[in-house]
Amino acid sequence: LAKTTQPISMDSYEGQEVNITCSHNNIATNDYITWYQQFPSQGPRFIIQGYKTKVTNEVASLFIPADRKSSTLSLPRVSLSDTAVYYCLVNNNDMRFGAGTRLTVKP
Amino acid sequence: NAGVTQTPKFQVLKTGQSMTLQCAQDMNHNSMYWYRQDPGMGLRLIYYSASEGTTDKGEVPNGYNVSRLNKREFSLRLESAAPSQTSVYFCASSDPWEQYFGPGTRLTVT
Repeated sequence: LAKTTQPISMDSYEGQEVNITCSHNNIATNDYITWYQQFPSQGPRFIIQGYKTKVTNEVASLFIPADRKSSTLSLPRVSLSDTAVYYCLVNNNDMRFGAGTRLTVKP
Repeated sequence: NAGVTQTPKFQVLKTGQSMTLQCAQDMNHNSMYWYRQDPGMGLRLIYYSASEGTTDKGEVPNGYNVSRLNKREFSLRLESAAPSQTSVYFCASSDPWEQYFGPGTRLTVT
C-alpha cells in the first residue's frame, strides 16, 4: 500500500501562491494521485486528481514528476476561505487518508 | 440528487449499547467506505466495500461490523459501544476514484 507523507501545517498570506508537497515513494503503476480539502465539521471535498505531469482545473494545479514518487498541489492566490486541511491520497482500493496538511491563510 | 446521506446526524450512547449508522448514495457508485475522524486528526478507514456483496477491513476495523445491503446502502454497526469509539463517522462513495462524502455522524459514547 502506498503511504503518503505531507507537512503537518503551513501558513500563508492572502494573495500568495501555496504549494503543498506530498511524497508517495511506493506508488504503484496504476495508482492515481488525488487531493481533497476539508473544512471543520464537514466531509472532505475533491479538489484535483492526476496520474503524471500536470493537471489544472479552476481551483488548483497538480504537478507530478516523471518518477511519480511525489506530487505538489498548487493553490494560486489563496484567500482566507482556503484555510482548511488538505489531504493527498494515492488511489488504491481502500482509499486511506494520511494526517493531512493544515493550511492557515492570514490576512 | 442528494448525493451521500447519513443517519443519524448525532447520537449519544452508553457504554455497551449497540447501534447502526446508515449510509445511502444515489450516484450508482460501486465503492463505499466508512471512516472515523477523531478531533484534530485525519480520517481513518474502518471498512470499505469495492462492490455490492463485498466488504474489506481498513485500518481500524476492531469493534465494528458492516453490511453492504445493496448497491445504494452501506451500514456500520457498533455491537458494544466503548468510549474510545467517540468520534465523527463519515461515509463516502466513489466510482472509481473520486470520493463523495456524507455530512457525518457525530457519536458520543459515555
